[in-house]
Amino acid sequence: EIVLTQSPGTLSLSPGERGTLSCRASQSVSSSYIAWYQQKPGQAPRLLIYGASSRAPGIPDRFSGSGSGTDFTLTISRLEPEDFAVYYCQQHGSSPTWTFGQGTKVEIK
Amino acid sequence: QVQLVQSGAEVKKPGSSVTVSCKASGGTLNSYAISWVRQAPGQGLEWMGRIIPFLGITNYAQKFQGRVTITADESTNTAYMDLSNLRSDDTAVYYCTRPGAPYSSGFKYAYFRDWGQGTLVIVTS
Repeated sequence: EIVLTQSPGTLSLSPGERGTLSCRASQSVSSSYIAWYQQKPGQAPRLLIYGASSRAPGIPDRFSGSGSGTDFTLTISRLEPEDFAVYYCQQHGSSPTWTFGQGTKVEIK
Repeated sequence: QVQLVQSGAEVKKPGSSVTVSCKASGGTLNSYAISWVRQAPGQGLEWMGRIIPFLGITNYAQKFQGRVTITADESTNTAYMDLSNLRSDDTAVYYCTRPGAPYSSGFKYAYFRDWGQGTLVIVTS
């Protein structure tokens, strides 16, 4: 089973700042099949990025994903007030067991 | 776009079982790998297992092997998750999910694009 470790646990930023979230895998993720989700309190997660760098439909271009192998990054170029939430990475290339990272909370500084 | 509508909240006693349903409208479940993901209060997301209805294949996370059963009714476009021998640490919100494309499209589309609204299951004596 691939273990995903996200860092930092909490990221304190101000609106307009750039946010960089990390997701490290315990072994190489095949074909960079990493997805990122955003979750707000009381809501289901929302898909942001899949295949490490492809934005899901309707996701603003301030969200971008990158990385390969074992190291992946979600970047929010300029934080909007609605971006303060918890973010999870997930690997979808190692069947049939999918795993999530433990999450990074992006909070208002 | 498909909408996944889950059954309502449940309160259960330790040792009992719970069944959560997930009905798809505006799309099909049958050719997709439908997964169940849970989230304990204040905790992260945990994949429990999946079913590929048209193949009759199920896969479960090792943690839940023997306690979880995922089924699907193709005629009603509904998936079900049964969890038995409930414990207090099974208190969580349970979500059904549908990936980005049918199962035949491969792992490239195996991320979770569509989510149900979640079902809160509380286990308490």
